[in-house]
Amino acid sequence: AQSVTQLGSHVSVSEGALVLLRCNYSSSVPPYLFWYVQYPNQGLQLLLKYTSAATLVKGINGFEAEFKKSETSFHLTKPSAHMSDAAEYFCAVSLGSQGNLIFGKGTKLSVKP
Amino acid sequence: EAGVTQFPSHSVIEKGQTVTLRCDPISGHDNLYWYRRVMGKEIKFLLHFVKESKQDESGMPNNRFLAERTGGTYSTLKVQPAELEDSGVYFCASSQYRFGTGALNEKLFFGSGTQLSVL
Repeated sequence: AQSVTQLGSHVSVSEGALVLLRCNYSSSVPPYLFWYVQYPNQGLQLLLKYTSAATLVKGINGFEAEFKKSETSFHLTKPSAHMSDAAEYFCAVSLGSQGNLIFGKGTKLSVKP
Repeated sequence: EAGVTQFPSHSVIEKGQTVTLRCDPISGHDNLYWYRRVMGKEIKFLLHFVKESKQDESGMPNNRFLAERTGGTYSTLKVQPAELEDSGVYFCASSQYRFGTGALNEKLFFGSGTQLSVL
């Protein structure tokens, strides 16, 4: 069965520091993988997605993620954190043609001045 | 262009009462999804409409939950009677194309959710 594990429910970084949010997946078929972000009082917004093209995926707001099949990982990174990056981030895997997403538990990112 | 709209944004009800949540998808989006996040847990899929038809309702927790999408426009999710464990955030999402196929142009748009508290 497909599943997603996000390591760390809370991550805190200083402004300007590297952001690394971890995501590991389990899937019996080649997966489609996604990162979503939820800012306070807003809906989930797509950051980026992997759909079997390039393994390094660039998203909005300077975020990127690398699909590593050997490690079953899809970690999200950003070289330099901004205060505006403070939000909750969700990794998700698609069940393909079934048309729904399986989400991880989410990671809350705090950015310290 | 208006996004996915959900209301109410918050609802506080007592156990045993009925609550109806509404979702207005983006105009022209045939695919509508409901998801739920119980506190501390993952966001979980509830069901998927294609126009007015239920395509997949495998995530609906029990028969106290009833989803409808009359006319293929807005959707409602009714909980009757509500139980304490129903508390959480209910998200609605819509897409023009069936989501999850990996098509480059597919995109799922989420509403900001309804926070349901059952006391």
